Amino acid sequence: DAGVTQSPTHLIKTRGQQVTLRCSPISGHKSVSWYQQVLGQGPQFIFQYYEKEERGRGNFPDRFSARQFPNYSSELNVNALLLGDSALYLCASSMRTGGYTFGSGTRLTVV
Amino acid sequence: AQTVTQSQPEMSVQEAETVTLSCTYDTSENNYYLFWYKQPPSRQMILVIRQEAYKQQNATENRFSVNFQKAAKSFSLKISDSQLGDTAMYFCAFMRRLNSGGSNYKLTFGKGTLLTVNP
Repeated sequence: DAGVTQSPTHLIKTRGQQVTLRCSPISGHKSVSWYQQVLGQGPQFIFQYYEKEERGRGNFPDRFSARQFPNYSSELNVNALLLGDSALYLCASSMRTGGYTFGSGTRLTVV
Repeated sequence: AQTVTQSQPEMSVQEAETVTLSCTYDTSENNYYLFWYKQPPSRQMILVIRQEAYKQQNATENRFSVNFQKAAKSFSLKISDSQLGDTAMYFCAFMRRLNSGGSNYKLTFGKGTLLTVNP
């Protein structure tokens, strides 16, 4: 079985631009969450989607948005990029409680 | 709000020895889950071990075990017979419900402990 897959693996963007990150969950997993991990810190919760509905949102500005598709894959969008948005963005999927399975992340660099 | 504290930014251990990583957390909830995740340089967050708060018995997974002290809100990870492949960043994480009903949960992570296993 394929694990959680994220694309792209690396990305360089300019301040003010917009970016879309993609995530495919493990087959059968209906819950997808997004986390931001700044260098030297633990991951911070951004969003959770379950059955295509937003079920939770962390303390992030409205520039961050996400959606989940009928096949349970997900996209994270960030508008008006700031230097501080440079981070590793992790996607995780889960079927139910018991812990999430994480992807390898997308490394976003804003210059 | 829940907080997770890992007081050891870095630790090192000799191969084949035992090491214990510390974690404390703060919550007013009674039902929750605790995890230890490992993040090697490959970046992928790998689940090491999981503990359910309502279970008194400490979880064990091969060389990895925890010491869960619910009253003290402490959740330490013991790695026995350390191996070079254990070198990684280790994160303690707390999981609570986002809302009542449904299987929707949020993870709160500590800042991590960088463990180096020396040959």
